[in-house]
Amino acid sequence: QVLLVQSGGEVKKPGSSVRVSCKTSGYPFTDYSLHWVRQAPGQGPEWMGYISPLKGNTNYAQNLQGRVTMTTDTSTDTVYMELGSLRPDDTAVYFCAREQWLVPKFDYWGQGTLVTVSS
Amino acid sequence: DIQMTQSPSSLSASVGDSVTIICRASQSISRSLNWYQQEPGKAPKLLIFSASSLHSGVPSRFSGGGSGTVFTLTITSLQPADFATYYCQQSFSYPRTFGQGTKVDI
Repeated sequence: QVLLVQSGGEVKKPGSSVRVSCKTSGYPFTDYSLHWVRQAPGQGPEWMGYISPLKGNTNYAQNLQGRVTMTTDTSTDTVYMELGSLRPDDTAVYFCAREQWLVPKFDYWGQGTLVTVSS
Repeated sequence: DIQMTQSPSSLSASVGDSVTIICRASQSISRSLNWYQQEPGKAPKLLIFSASSLHSGVPSRFSGGGSGTVFTLTITSLQPADFATYYCQQSFSYPRTFGQGTKVDI
């Protein structure tokens, strides 16, 4: 059974950083890329970037370059997303999702992590 | 970036109705188009991939079509569980982009 389980909600001050984890299980960790998608209240999903657990390479959304870092821990099959210099408009639910290489689609998602940025 | 535009942004329907949602891409994406259903407070669920392939476990009342720049999601015989928001997403290139969503309500 494929599972992506995310860490719990966070409340952060503007200018600080947040790290969200996504622990995977039920499939070969290195066979899929792991993506992060966020959704601000009442808005559609926004793709943030991905990491390849196999090679460790990343691809980030241009508007987040310099603020976002995605990493993996292959010993625990966990991916991490760290977002720095937080602003109130970073308030959103953050999802991890896996994507198959051959036929790209987000077929399994984490449950979501609410990050609230407020002074 | 490839822009994805859905229409309508919302629609009202009744149980048993059939509805069609349209998704347009700002450039050709071949058949690299996925559809998701999202209920409030939950993660999106994959319904259709590669424009017309039904994801495992998804009821056959959902169907997708199209290629190039225009795609459709059709739900026949709406069930109570189908009242949700639907998003298209292109997997043709990076950055991955989503439509703004279509809310289907009663």
